[in-house]
Amino acid sequence: KNEVEQSPQNLTAQEGEFITINCSYSVGISALHWLQQHPGGGIVSLFMLSSGKKKHGRLIATINIQEKHSSLHITASHPRDSAVYICAVRGKTSGSRLTFGEGTQLTVNP
Amino acid sequence: NAGVTQTPKFQVLKTGQSMTLQCAQDMNHEYMSWYRQDPGMGLRLIHYSVGAGITDQGEVPNGYNVSRSTTEDFPLRLLSAAPSQTSVYFCASSRGGPQSSTQYFGPGTRLLVL
Repeated sequence: KNEVEQSPQNLTAQEGEFITINCSYSVGISALHWLQQHPGGGIVSLFMLSSGKKKHGRLIATINIQEKHSSLHITASHPRDSAVYICAVRGKTSGSRLTFGEGTQLTVNP
Repeated sequence: NAGVTQTPKFQVLKTGQSMTLQCAQDMNHEYMSWYRQDPGMGLRLIHYSVGAGITDQGEVPNGYNVSRSTTEDFPLRLLSAAPSQTSVYFCASSRGGPQSSTQYFGPGTRLLVL
């Protein structure tokens, strides 16, 4: 079992839909990152969080430390949100290392 | 600021050849790292550095060397390329480590080893 599991692997939505991507992890962590990988390959950091909830525009990230689970929500989805969304965690005993999930491929159709 | 830059964008090597992937950042970040990305797998850490003169191994270091002589540059050397090193390589930097800082990624280098 991977340390970081994302679901779903693939997600197709219609423009305007509310989207949720899930990330579960199996170790104690000090931080969790959500990243976005564009179709051209570039990777952008969306959020870093260790507790609670963060919001940026139409994106919301939440984390439940007790349940070892995080969600990334996209409200009013748009075709430009189509990308791979990656969850990564920094374990409490993993030094300076991040462990990455395999990513969720999101396609938003007009 | 240019952010994190990587060169080359794409490279084809023959088995046994050596090469250096360049990475530079202009944000005065202490922490830099190299990852490889392969289909069906998450990004995996190759080597990282917490400051000039300090490097350490990541999850998949075999076949790669790094050095950090300046804060700005963190080159990754392939000593003798193998087909298993065909991958997309990303360099990243941050002010502190991933426990406390946003990671900034370069555009990636696509490497094909024949």
